[in-house]
Amino acid sequence: NAGVTQTPKFQVLKTGQSMTLQCAQDMNHEYMSWYRQDPGMGLRLIHYSVGAGITDQGEVPNGYNVSRSTTEDFPLRLLSAAPSQTSVYFCASSEGVEQYFGPGTRLTVT
Amino acid sequence: AQSVTQLDSQVPVFEEAPVELRCNYSSSVSVYLFWYVQYPNQGLQLLLKYLSGSTLVKGINGFEAEFNKSQTSFHLRKPSVHISDTAEYFCAVSKNGGFKTIFGAGTRLFVKA
Repeated sequence: NAGVTQTPKFQVLKTGQSMTLQCAQDMNHEYMSWYRQDPGMGLRLIHYSVGAGITDQGEVPNGYNVSRSTTEDFPLRLLSAAPSQTSVYFCASSEGVEQYFGPGTRLTVT
Repeated sequence: AQSVTQLDSQVPVFEEAPVELRCNYSSSVSVYLFWYVQYPNQGLQLLLKYLSGSTLVKGINGFEAEFNKSQTSFHLRKPSVHISDTAEYFCAVSKNGGFKTIFGAGTRLFVKA
């Protein structure tokens, strides 16, 4: 049981490039979320999903897309990277009250 | 809408001393309250949660928190800290449960020998 996994661990992008951050969970949880963590700001919700085929926006969705074709996977796409998207990204899954977090992806946009 | 304020950004404390990390929240509806811990270069893990019932909640690693509805607070305490408790601690609130959780800015606890 690996829990929540994220790839890659680190990524450097140039402004304007696109990429996909991968997130997978093996706990059969319905709920999955993406957060970004910035110094002094805690975690802010980007997008979330309440089940396969259902996604919705969080606090800071601009510049990001998500899809949920299976229960296990919830990829986050950056359409055209900007320096303001430099951050640490966490994926989380939940089947009730507690969330289980992945180890994070540290993204730098130059 | 809910919001969370962690009143201290950093808390330095000596080993074996008691510690309190303060958290206030605002919400017009009943909410669930959480404390998560993040060790360096790791994801977050749940320390404890308040859903209902007893206002004193015990969590892992000897931490506990008290829900105070009149003061809208959920302060985290430990009677004697260890070096290994050095980490960042996040207070969080949710009305839905496991998603759409609002996090505070975090408090960095630094335990000195």
